[in-house]
Amino acid sequence: AQSVTQLDSQVPVFEEAPVELRCNYSSSVSVYLFWYVQYPNQGLQLLLKYLSGSTLVKGINGFEAEFNKSQTSFHLRKPSVHISDTAEYFCAVSFIQGAQKLVFGQGTRLTINP
Amino acid sequence: GAGVSQSPSNKVTEKGKDVELRCDPISGHTALYWYRQRLGQGLEFLIYFQGNSAPDKSGLPSDRFSAERTGESVSTLTIQRTQQEDSAVYLCASSLALPQPQHFGDGTRLSIL
Repeated sequence: AQSVTQLDSQVPVFEEAPVELRCNYSSSVSVYLFWYVQYPNQGLQLLLKYLSGSTLVKGINGFEAEFNKSQTSFHLRKPSVHISDTAEYFCAVSFIQGAQKLVFGQGTRLTINP
Repeated sequence: GAGVSQSPSNKVTEKGKDVELRCDPISGHTALYWYRQRLGQGLEFLIYFQGNSAPDKSGLPSDRFSAERTGESVSTLTIQRTQQEDSAVYLCASSLALPQPQHFGDGTRLSIL
């Protein structure tokens, strides 16, 4: 069975500082990987996705993530955060074949302090 | 509108009542998903529709939960005899076939008194 672990439930950082949100997954088969962001009282918005090819993927709002197959990780990074990045971030995986559902991590609340 | 639309945005009901939640997917999206998000937690998969195939109901937590979808259009999630533990945000998503990503609605916040 697939599972996703987001190691930090909350991450506070100062504005303009770099940030890394960690995500590890467990799966016996190949997966697609996603990061979604959820602003208060809103649905989820796709930040970026890894399907195949280059292991470094770039997304919206200056975020990027690197797929590391040997460590089964897909950490999200941003070199300089802004107040507007305050939100909940979710890592998710789906099977390449078979079940089409997304399996989500528990989420990381990113708080940007001025 | 271009996005996934869910209604109502908020629903408050008494324990034991039935509720029906609605999702309008993005036009042309063949796949539709329902997820549940309890307070402070990630999303739990409930059910998945793909075209005319039999739905994947593996995530439905009990037989009080059911969902329907007419063709590739609107879907309704029904919860019968609601319990307090059903309180959550129910999110709907739609997509083209994998590997295309899922697009989410803003959710229905369900509160059971």
